[in-house]
Amino acid sequence: DGGITQSPKYLFRKEGQNVTLSCEQNLNHDAMYWYRQDPGQGLRLIYYSQIVNDFQKGDIAEGYSVSREKKESFPLTVTSAQKNPTAFYLCASSSGTSVYNEQFFGPGTRLTVL
Amino acid sequence: KQEVTQIPAALSVPEGENLVLNCSFTDSAIYNLQWFRQDPGKGLTSLLLIQSSQREQTSGRLNASLDKSSGRSTLYIAASQPGDSATYLCAPNTNAGKSTFGDGTTLTVKP
Repeated sequence: DGGITQSPKYLFRKEGQNVTLSCEQNLNHDAMYWYRQDPGQGLRLIYYSQIVNDFQKGDIAEGYSVSREKKESFPLTVTSAQKNPTAFYLCASSSGTSVYNEQFFGPGTRLTVL
Repeated sequence: KQEVTQIPAALSVPEGENLVLNCSFTDSAIYNLQWFRQDPGKGLTSLLLIQSSQREQTSGRLNASLDKSSGRSTLYIAASQPGDSATYLCAPNTNAGKSTFGDGTTLTVKP
């Protein structure tokens, strides 16, 4: 099956801990994205990557870090510097070209800080 | 900075009604605009992608229109069904890879 997988589905973190969320895609897409969604709100962009070994900050990058060592993978680390990390995290990918930049999403990871 | 507004925030209709969801955006220099559906606790499902050069796009009972110059898009759902109940999000793309999302319209279709 082609698509985007995220793991784990649910994640619990103690205050002060770093956690890493996994995102993998087998769509051969160049671009990948991480969004955060809070209850009743739309998505806000955390980081995005248009090519391997390169990534850009989105609107709310503080307290987060990413890497893009492989085309298929774009893990997100939520660090202890993120003051309010409890949220629903969504990963997406697209072909990366400007005009036909249709985004496809994974099922999400729900992070709760205890 | 792009700002996206979706009206109404919530909508409840009886089954069979035709309905329109609205999306407005402040920066008209977009490459395309995408409409998504989100079920509770799930990821987003792409419904329609309209290129900036297009006026509308259709898929089954869904029709999306785009008026780029006025910063507006509408999603028309014909003959609504209970299975259409979900949150609908629009996202104009103003730069390669950067989309801005509205807060969504939560639709409830009653049998």
